Amino acid sequence: TQLLEQSPQFLSIQEGENLTVYCNSSSVFSSLQWYRQEPGEGPVLLVTVVTGGEVKKLKRLTFQFGDARKDSSLHITAAQPGDTGLYLCAGVRREYGNKLVFGAGTILRVKS
Amino acid sequence: GAGVSQTPSNKVTEKGKYVELRCDPISGHTALYWYRQSLGQGPEFLIYFQGTGAADDSGLPNDRFFAVRPEGSVSTLKIQRTERGDSAVYLCASSSDRSGKAFFGQGTRLTVV
Repeated sequence: TQLLEQSPQFLSIQEGENLTVYCNSSSVFSSLQWYRQEPGEGPVLLVTVVTGGEVKKLKRLTFQFGDARKDSSLHITAAQPGDTGLYLCAGVRREYGNKLVFGAGTILRVKS
Repeated sequence: GAGVSQTPSNKVTEKGKYVELRCDPISGHTALYWYRQSLGQGPEFLIYFQGTGAADDSGLPNDRFFAVRPEGSVSTLKIQRTERGDSAVYLCASSSDRSGKAFFGQGTRLTVV
């Protein structure tokens, strides 16, 4: 059982559509991060959220941390083919020290 | 270099052989992490160094796996008597603060045949 559950596992959409990816847990996290990974590369950090209810925007990407700091979402507006990749959420829990615990990821494919 | 560097980028080895994977973290980063990623999965934690010491090695799957960071910079992940199930991408990350923000290398793809 994954500590962080991501959904959907796979998403294939047309260019210009909007989408939301979810990251859920029954555990509280001190911070949560979103990464994007392309084939043959390591994950690249997109954003870190630390405060319950926090919303951060990165161009067409909007990240939200749940009020209880147990879940997060990533919303992409007007998706582009360049958004294609594996989106990973990862959390830090004080009980686990500084290690990041990752979800299984959401594979996003944006077709032109 | 500016980022985390891992060598080799690809390694093919025979079952039962010994392998070493190297990670050069971002200069000045005191924290270093090793993760393993199987196809279609998120990275799985292996070990975390703070300086020269292994602060948390709870993710190492068994005693065939060992990692060192003798001078607090470069780290080597060592796998003895490799098995086909060890095939995966091994990722290294480094971090400069306690927030856990990690910067990843491109990974070493290990294939055990």
